[in-house]
Amino acid sequence: QAVLTQPSSLSASPGASASLTCTLRSGINVGIYRIYWYQQKPGSPPQYLLRYKSDSDKQQGSGVPSRFSGSKDASANAGILLISGLQSEDEADYYCMIWHSSTWVFGGGTKLTVL
Amino acid sequence: EVQLVESGGGQVKPGGSLRLSCAASRFTFSKYSMNWVRQAPGKGLEWVSSISSGDNYIYYADSVKGRFTVSRDNAKNSLYLQMNTLKAEDTAVYYCARGFGAMIGDYYGMDVWGQGTTVTVSS
Repeated sequence: QAVLTQPSSLSASPGASASLTCTLRSGINVGIYRIYWYQQKPGSPPQYLLRYKSDSDKQQGSGVPSRFSGSKDASANAGILLISGLQSEDEADYYCMIWHSSTWVFGGGTKLTVL
Repeated sequence: EVQLVESGGGQVKPGGSLRLSCAASRFTFSKYSMNWVRQAPGKGLEWVSSISSGDNYIYYADSVKGRFTVSRDNAKNSLYLQMNTLKAEDTAVYYCARGFGAMIGDYYGMDVWGQGTTVTVSS
């Protein structure tokens, strides 16, 4: 079982909100991890969006709109990237990442379609 | 604006070697950890290696351990990745990425990424 699991795709309408999940493998407690989120558009490198550990320990990337926010769902053992007020330019691949067992681990990525 | 420019990619035969470089500018390179991350065609991101600001801490993914060597020259503001015994599965775009600070760990993920350089391993 992968350390981080992301749904491969998600679709949402312009103006709506999208909740992208990053589920940690059973036995790895989301509460102790700082989760990073990256956005990647075709042909471009990943761009840092934000990192989230708790409401008191989080950081927004420089220039990243506040409609991108992070949270956790402890009951689901998952990190969440919430994108509100979806715009067509938000269509991209989104990756989560954590530091686990002295390695950086990426989720498989979610392709977000805005239609 | 912080800039990272990778170079050194190309096509190489299985078993061959290649050395990637990453030139950093517009920030104090010696104060930041650095990372290599790769992306195979049509696939997701895969972390390769990390090196602390003073190169006293170095980490590798299991998939490259023993074959790849990361290094840096703070005087030249440059990061390197020596890749030996290359395999077809090493084919990917290789990105260098800056860490949030000097060390490696939970707090020091990647904030700025270069445009990447393409490595193709094929006979």
